[in-house]
Amino acid sequence: NAGVTQTPKFQVLKTGQSMTLQCAQDMNHEYMSWYRQDPGMGLRLIHYSVGAGITDQGEVPNGYNVSRSTTEDFPLRLLSAAPSQTSVYFCASAGKRDATTLYEQYFGPGTRLTVT
Amino acid sequence: DAKTTQPNSMESNEEEPVHLPCNHSTISGTDYIHWYRQLPSQGPEYVIHGLTSNVNNRMASLAIAEDRKSSTLILHRATLRDAAVYYCILIVRGSTLGRLYFGRGTQLTVWP
Repeated sequence: NAGVTQTPKFQVLKTGQSMTLQCAQDMNHEYMSWYRQDPGMGLRLIHYSVGAGITDQGEVPNGYNVSRSTTEDFPLRLLSAAPSQTSVYFCASAGKRDATTLYEQYFGPGTRLTVT
Repeated sequence: DAKTTQPNSMESNEEEPVHLPCNHSTISGTDYIHWYRQLPSQGPEYVIHGLTSNVNNRMASLAIAEDRKSSTLILHRATLRDAAVYYCILIVRGSTLGRLYFGRGTQLTVWP
């Protein structure tokens, strides 16, 4: 299994540009999520999905869109990049233990995004 | 948010045991205690979790206080590869599914 993969590893954008960060998992996990990590900080949840066709907002959703058309893929779209979105972005997936709890989350290697 | 408190940093020598503490005085009866760690320039990885009883796995042990208001992650013999930020996280059962609140964690330095 490749686990959770993210592309690209690095990206530089100009203010106002848009782009999509890709995330894929091959573990048939229902749950997927996106986090951002700013220097010296813990991770903050952007958006998450509990299954194909279902998404919801986390702590810091503004400026980002997601969709979940398949179980495997969960792309994160930056609509109009701003310098405040300079961060490291992590995608994670997990299986569902039951309706209200998950098994442990598996994280991808991250995408380092710089917005100038 | 389910709150945890951890020391900002700890140090250990290689091959010595390490005890990483976490306080979670507002924990409720159904909250799971999870530990993740983040090696430099990598995504977090799961270490261990527990509910009431102490737990062991190949990576570490988790000791949970009887009143569940604190827990300790135990690395039995630290290696240089264990140098990482360790996050203690409460998973609130029945709340918004899968929200992990990471906080700043404990930076563990391991000296050779």
